[in-house]
Amino acid sequence: EVQLVQSGAEVKEPGKSLRISCKGSGYNFTNYWISWVRQMPGKGPEWMGRIDPSDSYSNYRPSFQGHVTISVDKSISTAYLQWSSLKASDTAMYYCARGDYEFDFWGQGTLVIVSS
Amino acid sequence: DIQMTQSPSSVSASVGDRVTITCRASQGVSNWLVWYQQKPGKAPKFLFFAAPHLQSGVPSRFSGSGSGTDFTLTISSLQPEDYATYYCQQANNFPPTFGGGTRVEIK
Repeated sequence: EVQLVQSGAEVKEPGKSLRISCKGSGYNFTNYWISWVRQMPGKGPEWMGRIDPSDSYSNYRPSFQGHVTISVDKSISTAYLQWSSLKASDTAMYYCARGDYEFDFWGQGTLVIVSS
Repeated sequence: DIQMTQSPSSVSASVGDRVTITCRASQGVSNWLVWYQQKPGKAPKFLFFAAPHLQSGVPSRFSGSGSGTDFTLTISSLQPEDYATYYCQQANNFPPTFGGGTRVEIK
């Protein structure tokens, strides 16, 4: 059974750093891209960027470029999304999903709250 | 970026009703259009590509049609478990983009 299991909810202050994770199982992790998707309350999903676990090549939606970093550790089948300096506007649900352009399996989501 | 516009934004329907949701892309995406279902507090769930493919396990009451810029998702006989928000997403151009969603509510 394909599963993507994400790390738990986070509450952080503005300006702090954060890394959330997504562990894949039930399939060959290096055969599929992992994407990260943001969903703000009451809004549609928004694709942020993706990474190829086989070679760690990544690309980003321009509006997220430079603000987040996507990385992967293929030895433990885990992808990461990280911020070096959080803003209040980063408050949202974040999902990892399998795929580069279409997303057939999703993680359960990680809620990130940024508040002082 | 390709803009995806869904209509209606919400629909109230009864069990057994036929429900049709439309999705329009700001430019052609061929058949590279995906439908997702999202229930409250859950992640989106992949339903299928535009047409005529059906994802394994998706009930046959769900169908899709369209190509280019105009697409529809039809639920032929609404069931209680179908109450959810449905999103379209184009998978043809970078970056992939989603519609704003159609919420199917109980009438």
